[in-house]
Amino acid sequence: DIQMTQSPSSLSASVGDRVTITCRASHDISNYLAWYQQRPGDVPKLLIYAASALHSGVPSRFSGSGSGTDFTLTISSLQPEDVAVYYCQKYNNAPLTFGGGTRVEIK
Amino acid sequence: EVQLVESGGGLVKPGGSLRLSCAASGFTFSNYAMNWVRQAPQKGLEWVSYISSSGSHIYYADSVKGRFTISRDSAKSSMILQMNSLRVEDTAVYYCARGRSPYQLLPPFDSWGQGTPVTVSS
Repeated sequence: DIQMTQSPSSLSASVGDRVTITCRASHDISNYLAWYQQRPGDVPKLLIYAASALHSGVPSRFSGSGSGTDFTLTISSLQPEDVAVYYCQKYNNAPLTFGGGTRVEIK
Repeated sequence: EVQLVESGGGLVKPGGSLRLSCAASGFTFSNYAMNWVRQAPQKGLEWVSYISSSGSHIYYADSVKGRFTISRDSAKSSMILQMNSLRVEDTAVYYCARGRSPYQLLPPFDSWGQGTPVTVSS
């Protein structure tokens, strides 16, 4: 099975900073990669699908890139409401594996 | 508005069974693939099972294969997860999640329920 590895596992940044989270697949998954945000005490929410497509209603400061095995989620200007754990997920085939998550905090 | 409401969670002893339900509304249930995802306390997300819109394609995580059974009832707009031979490590909040695109075989998840907690303990 394909493994999904996220880095870093946690980060702390200031409001307004550019934040980058990386997700690596152990084998080629083309662009079948999604990103989710889970705020404290809340359910996960879809941010990005097809590696770079912004889901409806998601602020434009979020962007995704990559294909094959290496992917990136970028928050262009970190806001207080972006404090959350972010997960990548592959969906090219089963199992629909999630990455381990990246916790984003405000410095 | 899309709504997914899970029910059926609770406390069960190791080796026991539970039947989780996910009631869907606000969309044409029969057009969308559905999934179960779980989250153990203070842990990350773990995909558990998938069922296609027609019910003809079903997949399970290795950790639950042979113990859990997913099904759907389009007439009732509901999805079921029958969990047997439960283990302590199955303790988690169980979410149902909808596939984003109608008829797509394996879409990402665009709507999630609030989850139902399952605790397996003696």
